[in-house]
Amino acid sequence: QVQLVQSGAEVKKPGASVRVSCESSGYTFSSYDINWVRQAPGQGLEWMGYLITNGGKTGYAQNFYGRVTMTSDTSMSTAYMELSSLRSDDTAIYYCARANRTTYVFDVWGQGTLVTVSS
Amino acid sequence: IEMTQTPLSLSVTPGQPASISCTSTQSLLHSDGKTYLYWYRQKPGQSPQVLIYAVSSRFSGVPDKFSGSGSGTSFTLKISRVEAEDLGFYYCMQTKELPYTFGQGTKLEIK
Repeated sequence: QVQLVQSGAEVKKPGASVRVSCESSGYTFSSYDINWVRQAPGQGLEWMGYLITNGGKTGYAQNFYGRVTMTSDTSMSTAYMELSSLRSDDTAIYYCARANRTTYVFDVWGQGTLVTVSS
Repeated sequence: IEMTQTPLSLSVTPGQPASISCTSTQSLLHSDGKTYLYWYRQKPGQSPQVLIYAVSSRFSGVPDKFSGSGSGTSFTLKISRVEAEDLGFYYCMQTKELPYTFGQGTKLEIK
């Protein structure tokens, strides 16, 4: 069964960093890219960036330049998204999504990780 | 590329059709000949799931009551007969160029 399982909810203080993991199973991890998308409470979807799993190349949305780092551990079939200098408006559900390299469909999504930033 | 959806909400009687429009500020036709426009649905409390890719191709397992059309900068998602399970938010998305962008979302309610 193809799935992405994300790490659990986090509560962080402003200025801190958070790392969310996304563990894949049921397919060859390095054959698909991983994208990260977030959703603030009651809001729409916001694309954050992508990670090419075979090589490690990344691309980030300008909103997150200098604050986000996307990496992976191929041996563990796991992708990571670290966001630093957290602010209250970073409170959101963070999703990882698998991207098919031919169609670029985000065809498998993680269950989401709620990150709450509060003092 | 900015994506604009209309309407932002609609209320539909079961069995009736629904239509959502999505326009982009630039053509989504890539030099490779493909158009990178997708439709996703997010049911309450769930992760998004793909319905349509490349404007009009239904993803595996998506019922044929969903159809996509359009070209260039103007696209439409149609549901031929709305059912209660179709409630949720619908988003268009482009991956023609970075940064990838979503529309604001359209909330589909069932009357």
